[in-house]
Amino acid sequence: QQPVQSPQAVILREGEDAVINCSSSKALYSVHWYRQKHGEAPVFLMILLKGGEQKGHDKISASFNEKKQQSSLYLTASQLSYSGTYFCGTEIDSFGNEKLTFGTGTRLTIIP
Amino acid sequence: DGGITQSPKYLFRKEGQNVTLSCEQNLNHDAMYWYRQDPGQGLRLIYYSQIVNDFQKGDIAEGYSVSREKKESFPLTVTSAQKNPTAFYLCASSRARGMNTEAFFGQGTRLTVV
Repeated sequence: QQPVQSPQAVILREGEDAVINCSSSKALYSVHWYRQKHGEAPVFLMILLKGGEQKGHDKISASFNEKKQQSSLYLTASQLSYSGTYFCGTEIDSFGNEKLTFGTGTRLTIIP
Repeated sequence: DGGITQSPKYLFRKEGQNVTLSCEQNLNHDAMYWYRQDPGQGLRLIYYSQIVNDFQKGDIAEGYSVSREKKESFPLTVTSAQKNPTAFYLCASSRARGMNTEAFFGQGTRLTVV
């Protein structure tokens, strides 16, 4: 039941843009995005609720296509600090099933 | 400061022994989660609890047990039935669904079974 993330890994030069995708086979109530640095706890970036909204956070933004059960995370003009592994977390849209399930992650490496 | 605390950070155990990982939060969150992290497999859900005295199995519950006797505590026991227990374990908490359900994570416990 894990959501599927793509790509698994990406290497960028500083200043380049990246897109990370997350898809689910189930109808979604919400999509979360987190970033984890090596050896540390994941840190919350943003949450999107069903309704197809798009959110922004500095140069990091995300969209949620409810019909396709997909979300994308956009990182523009990437900085060295953006390096890490990005996880999407999903909540399925049904009562009695309020659990947060994460994807396998996308490792992002930013080089100078 | 509010947060979620896992202890210990590193844990070593002999094969065949049960071991309990601690997770405490003072955020007044209703929901708590345990995840297991292995290289290349992301975060896999072991158990979760939406309310005190109730918990549900996640995707990989076999060989694990939990309790939720207090709102702030959600300990995880790794039993001898877990065939490959060496991993990084993360505990998380969040508000009840329908509110801002951002999950806060502890710093994790790295369990090594020898």
